[in-house]
Amino acid sequence: GESVGLHLPTLSVQEGDNSIINCAYSNSASDYFIWYKQESGKGPQFIIDIRSNMDKRQGQRVTVLLNKTVKHLSLQIAATQPGDSAVYFCAENSAGNNRKLIWGLGTSLAVNP
Amino acid sequence: DVKVTQSSRYLVKRTGEKVFLECVQDMDHENMFWYRQDPGLGLRLIYFSYDVKMKEKGDIPEGYSVSREKKERFSLILESASTNQTSMYLCASRVGGKNIQYFGAGTRLSVL
Repeated sequence: GESVGLHLPTLSVQEGDNSIINCAYSNSASDYFIWYKQESGKGPQFIIDIRSNMDKRQGQRVTVLLNKTVKHLSLQIAATQPGDSAVYFCAENSAGNNRKLIWGLGTSLAVNP
Repeated sequence: DVKVTQSSRYLVKRTGEKVFLECVQDMDHENMFWYRQDPGLGLRLIYFSYDVKMKEKGDIPEGYSVSREKKERFSLILESASTNQTSMYLCASRVGGKNIQYFGAGTRLSVL
């Protein structure tokens, strides 16, 4: 399944399926992007990052894709598990201000057993 | 592992009270941040600090102040709490180089 970020939609998937969470970022000058996962009752946790000189980066069961032409970022989760249920945030970092992150509004992922 | 500790998970305060939210990190990070998180609004930056005694306003500083007397501790202060400051407050710290921020578990503040 897919969803579009910057507001808080809910993506519901079956356990074992692949999930795709999308994010449209705002600043063409942003050169660094991060995905965070926030489980209920916890703070956001870093998942994976990507620099603007790359278009794909893989981690364990997760892949981030970056399309700078359309300012779009996606997080793919392979073989989604119940423990993946959380809110996922994308964040961008502007080259001109590397202290502040610009945050998306999050996407809620619900994994059905 | 980076550890960011917020002193309280839940707080209930009354309108007009002065409220202190404390955050401690154990990784010698120079940069620390305070956010508030509200449903549908995501994370909004209140203040951040890039060194001891240094601070910079974020996107929503009104009604808040901060204190950074020691590198490991960053405090958020509500001088006179109001009901519209009821929220989840998240503290984060950041290592140099990449802007990866590490978060505490959050403090859920209710102002009655």
